[in-house]
Amino acid sequence: QQPVQSPQAVILREGEDAVINCSSSKALYSVHWYRQKHGEAPVFLMILLKGGEQKGHDKISASFNEKKQQSSLYLTASQLSYSGTYFCGTGADKLIFGTGTRLQVFP
Amino acid sequence: DADVTQTPRNRITKTGKRIMLECSQTKGHDRMYWYRQDPGLGLRLIYYSFDVKDINKGEISDGYSVSRQAQAKFSLSLESAIPNQTALYFCATSDRRGELFFGEGSRLTVL
Repeated sequence: QQPVQSPQAVILREGEDAVINCSSSKALYSVHWYRQKHGEAPVFLMILLKGGEQKGHDKISASFNEKKQQSSLYLTASQLSYSGTYFCGTGADKLIFGTGTRLQVFP
Repeated sequence: DADVTQTPRNRITKTGKRIMLECSQTKGHDRMYWYRQDPGLGLRLIYYSFDVKDINKGEISDGYSVSRQAQAKFSLSLESAIPNQTALYFCATSDRRGELFFGEGSRLTVL
């Protein structure tokens, strides 16, 4: 079953912050986050494992709440390069992706 | 050269035709996947394979078949293409940690 992402879309000015949420109806053992820029393939950002929280790169980090079966992606002081669609993926041996959150950052 | 290569990159075909999308990788990964992407629906898993003798259905396997010819090659076939199979198709590989490495995608249009 697909995880649910919210919001579906976010519009930001450079320097603003954003949070993207991912929730699942199933128990989560790990959560992946990917970013896809327009016309390109998705690119891995980070994995969060059960019992831990892993920070990503730049000013993008994430948290993982196993009890609530949720993960959140935090984009701090957004840059133009952060624009794209963000996907979370869940699953023990195969990734099932959410429907994505489109993020647009304007100057 | 790309680590995960898909051919063709673009294909236009007619309803009822058989189509094969090919994927090859140089990453040395055992795990390979086929995903389909439609606007607003995200990436949906069609088939996946953990080694040459292992093939598994994903979320939306109806109307598709796959072949794992070697560790480095994983092909997706549409036996009789229909218009609602028009989509962007991605092949991906992963290591045991699970990080996916995607090909550049194959855009298929079925008329």
